[in-house]
Amino acid sequence: SQQGEEDPQALSIQEGENATMNCSYKTSINNLQWYRQNSGRGLVHLILIRSNEREKHSGRLRVTLDTSKKSSSLLITASRAADTASYFCATDSGGYQKVTFGTGTKLQVIP
Amino acid sequence: NAGVTQTPKFQVLKTGQSMTLQCAQDMNHNSMYWYRQDPGMGLRLIYYSASEGTTDKGEVPNGYNVSRLNKREFSLRLESAAPSQTSVYFCASLGLAGGYSYNEQFFGPGTRLTVL
Repeated sequence: SQQGEEDPQALSIQEGENATMNCSYKTSINNLQWYRQNSGRGLVHLILIRSNEREKHSGRLRVTLDTSKKSSSLLITASRAADTASYFCATDSGGYQKVTFGTGTKLQVIP
Repeated sequence: NAGVTQTPKFQVLKTGQSMTLQCAQDMNHNSMYWYRQDPGMGLRLIYYSASEGTTDKGEVPNGYNVSRLNKREFSLRLESAAPSQTSVYFCASLGLAGGYSYNEQFFGPGTRLTVL
């Protein structure tokens, strides 16, 4: 079963707008990571947030984590057509074999 | 430094045929993984190898076998392919990142397998 569930499943926005996607998970975690997947490619790591952190920034990415609600959000500001991809959250509950991926949000940025 | 490589990129099999998917990494990582990705299902772990010489089942191991040939290579075998195994298969390895402060998975480009 999936640990993480992303919401929405698909998102279509205009270039320049902000994109927000959410991830909910079921059990306690050590950290939560976001990955990006371009069509037909493998996943690429974007950003990690630890369970004792509430917010993290990296360039145009902003990640928040609410452990009381077991949820995280990924915000991409000033989106570009090149941001078109699927985005996955991955939770680490301890022990590297327990990294579990969510179902993903498919983002389309229209030029 | 090629990272994680997978062969083949595409494969079409008939039901009952067998094949082996190959994966290699040149980052000296101990842990390696095989996932399958189906539409709307995200990534599901098939098998993993925490270190050379060890393998363990993941979430969906039925119908698959693996071999950790050495530290670099981790292969996935389908002994008798079934249409339900039509999927995209990803190999990954785990290594330290962020100035050695956390583990990050590095993924191969994937193998698209169709079983008729």
